[in-house]
Amino acid sequence: GDSVTQMEGPVTLSEEAFLTINCTYTATGYPSLFWYVQYPGEGLQLLLKATKADDKGSNKGFEATYRKETTSFHLEKGSVQVSDSAVYFCALGPGGYNKLIFGAGTRLAVHP
Amino acid sequence: EPEVTQTPSHQVTQMGQEVILRCVPISNHLYFYWYRQILGQKVEFLVSFYNNEISEKSEIFDDQFSVERPDGSNFTLKIRSTKLEDSAMYFCASSDGTSGEETQYFGPGTRLLVL
Repeated sequence: GDSVTQMEGPVTLSEEAFLTINCTYTATGYPSLFWYVQYPGEGLQLLLKATKADDKGSNKGFEATYRKETTSFHLEKGSVQVSDSAVYFCALGPGGYNKLIFGAGTRLAVHP
Repeated sequence: EPEVTQTPSHQVTQMGQEVILRCVPISNHLYFYWYRQILGQKVEFLVSFYNNEISEKSEIFDDQFSVERPDGSNFTLKIRSTKLEDSAMYFCASSDGTSGEETQYFGPGTRLLVL
C-alpha cells in the first residue's frame, strides 16, 4: 500500500543554518504531496503542497519539489529561525478526497 | 481566515466511559475526517465522511467508534466505551469538495486521556 518515509529526528540546527528534511513515498497513481507543521501545543498546519510531478511548493521560506523519478518530496529552507522549531510531517494524498497518509514526523529544534 | 475548531481541547475520562469529541469544520466544506496521533507516533487516519455517510474507515475505526453530523455545522466522533489505548490526540479535518481543491485543513486537536 501507499506509504511515506521521513528521516528520523530530532534535527538540531543553529539559527540561519540550512535545513533539509528528507521524505520519500511509495504510491500507485499520481498522489498529491504535502508538508504539515505542528508547533508545540498546536494542531497540524498546512505548510506547502504539490499536486503533480516537478511542481514546487513554497511557503514562509520553505520549499519542496515533487520528484517522481526519485519518489521524493524533501523539505528545504535556506536559513532557519528559532520560530521554525516544530514537528514537520510529510503526507501523501492519493487523490480525490481520500485519506492522507502521514510520515512519522521529524522534530526540528533551532537554537540561537 | 476560516478554520476548523474542536472542543474540548483536553478530556480526561475513565476506561469504559463514552466520550464525544466535537468539531466544527470550515463552513462551506463538504468532506470531513478524523485522525488520531498517539503520543510520539504518526498521525493515523480513522474515518472520512461525505454526504452524511462514511466514505472510508480504517481498521482502527471499529464498532466502538461512530461519527455523526447532527446539524449543519458540527461533526462529532463518539467512542462508546473507551480503552486505555484510545488515549491520543484526535484531529478533525475538512476539505472543500467543490472546486477540486482536496487540501485537508486540520483543527487544533482534542487530547484524550483514558485512565
